[in-house]
Amino acid sequence: EAGVAQSPRYKIIEKRQSVAFWCNPISGHATLYWYQQILGQGPKLLIQFQNNGVVDDSQLPKDRFSAERLKGVDSTLKIQPAKLEDSAVYLCASSRDRGEQYFGPGTRLTVT
Amino acid sequence: EDQVTQSPEALRLQEGESSSLNCSYTVSGLRGLFWYRQDPGKGPEFLFTLYSAGEEKEKERLKATLTKKESFLHITAPKPEDSATYLCAVQANDYKLSFGAGTTVTVRA
Repeated sequence: EAGVAQSPRYKIIEKRQSVAFWCNPISGHATLYWYQQILGQGPKLLIQFQNNGVVDDSQLPKDRFSAERLKGVDSTLKIQPAKLEDSAVYLCASSRDRGEQYFGPGTRLTVT
Repeated sequence: EDQVTQSPEALRLQEGESSSLNCSYTVSGLRGLFWYRQDPGKGPEFLFTLYSAGEEKEKERLKATLTKKESFLHITAPKPEDSATYLCAVQANDYKLSFGAGTTVTVRA
């Protein structure tokens, strides 16, 4: 079974620029999550989708972050405009029934 | 607010030297407690789910246990390939997952 795919793996941008990340979950997994992991910390949930719908986006900075999940499969996370404090690893995860989550390799974002 | 505290922050072990990692938590209704392993530059890898106090799970040299307030991850006779950061996470009744900061384990040959 193929795992969670993410791209790109690395991205370097200047502050105030925009960036987008892509995620393809494990086939058949209805729930998709985006996390932000700052160096030395555990992942922090940004947004959770159940099929096409948003279940929880309470910790998503909505003035600059947006996310969508097209047709209940792939998802994109966008940051516009980026700030220095957005430098982190962005992890995508999926789960079949909101139980154990399976993570992708992450995208390391550096904002200069 | 759900809280997860892991200790120690870092652990250096000699190969074969068994030890334990601690995860203490406060949560409004525990649905499950999860342990993950994270290698540098990679996403967390699922290890175990524990659902109720007294439950134990084992995988190779790892054994996870759960009480009402904390969980332990025991590493028996570790090898260098067990070096990683181990993350604990609790899932509340609203299905939200809250992670601890992790314990970084280094096993020297």
